[in-house]
Amino acid sequence: DIQLTQSPSFLSASVGDRVTITCRASQGISSYLAWYQQKPGKAPKLLIYAASTLQSGVPSRFSGSGSGTEFTLTISSLQPEDFATYYCQQLNSYPITFGQGTRLEIK
Amino acid sequence: EVQLVESGGVVVQPGGSLRLSCAASGFTFDDYTMHWVRQAPGKGLEWVSLISWDGGSTYYADSVKGRFTISRDNSKNSLYLQMNSLRTEDTALYYCAKALPDSSSGLDYWGQGTLVTVSS
Repeated sequence: DIQLTQSPSFLSASVGDRVTITCRASQGISSYLAWYQQKPGKAPKLLIYAASTLQSGVPSRFSGSGSGTEFTLTISSLQPEDFATYYCQQLNSYPITFGQGTRLEIK
Repeated sequence: EVQLVESGGVVVQPGGSLRLSCAASGFTFDDYTMHWVRQAPGKGLEWVSLISWDGGSTYYADSVKGRFTISRDNSKNSLYLQMNSLRTEDTALYYCAKALPDSSSGLDYWGQGTLVTVSS
């Protein structure tokens, strides 16, 4: 099974900050990686798919990059509504797996 | 508007069985791969299973293989998850989710989940 390791697991930042979350795969997954945002009590929301494609309706301050085994999600200027938990997911091979999550909190 | 509405979550004893349902609307259901994803209380997301648009291909997480069965009825726009030999570690909020047109890209719509509690 492919393991996804997100770093950091916890991030404290301020409104306006630029933040980057990393997702590392235990083996190559090409660009079959998605990023999700989840707020408490809500279902996950797709932000980025195919490693770098912005899902329709998602603000352009979100961006994704990477291929192979290392991927990043960047938020260029944090907004109050961005404080949430973020997950990466690989869909390259079965079983599909998620990273453990990165909790982004207000400093 | 795409809607996914899960149902069937209850409290069940270890070793018991349960069938979850997901009613889909707002899109052409039989065009898309569908998934089940779960989240234990206070924990992260865990992928459970997927089924191709025609039901011809199914895949499972190792943790549920041999105990859970995913199925769909395209005539009813519905997705199902039959859960047998339930364990306490199966306690979670179960989401159904729709795949993007390229089924290896991501899950673009999610339901609000149905809670399964396995406890004696």
